[in-house]
Amino acid sequence: GAGVSQSPSNKVTEKGKDVELRCDPISGHTALYWYRQSLGQGLEFLIYFQGNSAPDKSGLPSDRFSAERTGGSVSTLTIQRTQQEDSAVYLCASSLIGGRVAYEQYFGPGTRLTVT
Amino acid sequence: SQKIEQNSEALNIQEGKTATLTCNYTNYSPAYLQWYRQDPGRGPVFLLLIRENEKEKRKERLKVTFDTTLKQSLFHITASQPADSATYLCALDTGGFKTIFGAGTRLFVKA
Repeated sequence: GAGVSQSPSNKVTEKGKDVELRCDPISGHTALYWYRQSLGQGLEFLIYFQGNSAPDKSGLPSDRFSAERTGGSVSTLTIQRTQQEDSAVYLCASSLIGGRVAYEQYFGPGTRLTVT
Repeated sequence: SQKIEQNSEALNIQEGKTATLTCNYTNYSPAYLQWYRQDPGRGPVFLLLIRENEKEKRKERLKVTFDTTLKQSLFHITASQPADSATYLCALDTGGFKTIFGAGTRLFVKA
């Protein structure tokens, strides 16, 4: 079946503008994650959604970042008033379930965000 | 704070040899550990998962060990091939819903 898809694949924006990044998880996956990866760095956890539970927002770097997941499926990560340090690849992943149940995560191709 | 360390330097090996990558962690006790492969411009791809009560897990040419006393996992690729060249990431659960990833080790296999 289809994997995790993300759009856009690339986004160039001017400093101070808002951006929205979209993630379509694998159908039936209840857990959805957002990560950020800067050049040569590991994945930085941003936010986690699990079913209808309140999301774990502990990784969001500032209040300019927010995310929502509608209908338990598609998720949107919004960055307001973008800064140059927001430039990175934003990766979305989904899994059957999260936590200590230990299911692997399936990643999308990422959105490369460049803030000029 | 919780910390994961992987070899920051790239690993260069000759085709046919065994590649061994290291993942060390501190300050917590994960229930499981995962290894992912990441190619340039792509998202990570899951390879193997090993639980805290397992010492070793194998899949084709891949082998992972998990030593909870040393707080270390070793990832082996036997009979390595140029197609194995990629960045390999280890990831640990944190006792909740969050998974933390290491920065990865780049592997280059020369023909």
